[in-house]
Amino acid sequence: SAVISQKPSRDICQRGTSLTIQCQVDSQVTMMFWYRQQPGQSLTLIATANQGSEATYESGFVIDKFPISRPNLTFSTLTVSNMSPEDSSIYLCSVLTGTGRPEQYFGPGTRLTVT
Amino acid sequence: AQTVTQSQPEMSVQEAETVTLSCTYDTSENNYYLFWYKQPPSRQMILVIRQEAYKQQNATENRFSVNFQKAAKSFSLKISDSQLGDTAMYFCASDFNAGGTSYGKLTFGQGTILTVHP
Repeated sequence: SAVISQKPSRDICQRGTSLTIQCQVDSQVTMMFWYRQQPGQSLTLIATANQGSEATYESGFVIDKFPISRPNLTFSTLTVSNMSPEDSSIYLCSVLTGTGRPEQYFGPGTRLTVT
Repeated sequence: AQTVTQSQPEMSVQEAETVTLSCTYDTSENNYYLFWYKQPPSRQMILVIRQEAYKQQNATENRFSVNFQKAAKSFSLKISDSQLGDTAMYFCASDFNAGGTSYGKLTFGQGTILTVHP
């Protein structure tokens, strides 16, 4: 199993500013992902955080808006840049662990409100 | 496009009763993984059950079981002996890129809010 923590758990930010969300896992994992859950909506994959290389973004998400770092196998950050009210969402970190029959775990999420 | 669809925005059930949540999906892949996740008000996503598409046998986990119909692309969740703690949003999801193993890039359905009444 994997225990995932995220910081901050919630934040209220002004439009035009940026927020960096941290994701820490208690064990080394191969795959780390960032998802977005807009209010009352489902989860959408933003990107795969690759250790030692640039993140792989899904359609509709770009690096300038959501820069991601992954300096090692247990830690990643997601920055939401130049925020607008439309960025108000829950942002969740997710990891895939194990081999043979991998298990996927989610962090508790960061609730972001942009005013 | 690969999609996951949950057509029941809300469901309710009495405690100790059985409820079934529906999910359909669309993909041209032959090997993939299907999941049901639970998200209580705490926001923590919890894996309820998973099904490998290459397995014909339906997955079961205690009170939770699935009815996997590959030809019909249907994946429903049955919760038996419902408990108050089952109240949550339930998401159906798939890893369509599996090719035999899960790679973690999940496509989610819209979710079903389940309320268990005492």
